[in-house]
Amino acid sequence: RKEVEQDPGPFNVPEGATVAFNCTYSNSASQSFFWYRQDCRKEPKLLMSVYSSGNEDGRFTAQLNRASQYISLLIRDSKLSDSATYLCVVIAMDSSYKLIFGSGTRLLVRP
Amino acid sequence: DAEITQSPRHKITETGRQVTLACHQTWNHNNMFWYRQDLGHGLRLIHYSYGVQDTNKGEVSDGYSVSRSNTEDLPLTLESAASSQTSVYFCASSEGGEDEQYFGPGTRLTVT
Repeated sequence: RKEVEQDPGPFNVPEGATVAFNCTYSNSASQSFFWYRQDCRKEPKLLMSVYSSGNEDGRFTAQLNRASQYISLLIRDSKLSDSATYLCVVIAMDSSYKLIFGSGTRLLVRP
Repeated sequence: DAEITQSPRHKITETGRQVTLACHQTWNHNNMFWYRQDLGHGLRLIHYSYGVQDTNKGEVSDGYSVSRSNTEDLPLTLESAASSQTSVYFCASSEGGEDEQYFGPGTRLTVT
């Protein structure tokens, strides 16, 4: 089983739609979580950190469910520019601070 | 502005050749990382460094080596390139262990 698993998609949604992605992680002791965004053939960039209490940044909301070991990303009022691959990231629990990446979920927002 | 750069951006090489990919950051970050990205696998860690003279193996380190002689650079060497090493390689750096990692633009390597 992969340490971080994501539905690869693609999620194909119209502009203005609300879309949600989930990501599951296998190590129940994991403490730090992130969502990165990667545009086609570009480098990943941090979208937002995921806090235990959940956090919101504009149209984006991230939540953590420790009991079920998943994190989610909700995008409201989707824009064409939101089309990208969203990478779920967990920090390794072996004190190395290595990032463990999911394979990504692809989002396509259509006009 | 501080940045992280990689060179070359594209490289085609033959099986068995030694190849070195450069990574240079001006953030003055202690932590630097090398990843490869392949379809279906996401980003996988090759090697990482937490400071000058420090290097550590990641999950897919076989066939690769790094050296850290200064803060700014972490070159990645493929000792004897293999077709299985055809991939996109990303370098990243961060200030602290749990801080955001900043990625370079990537190097697309093809081994024929």
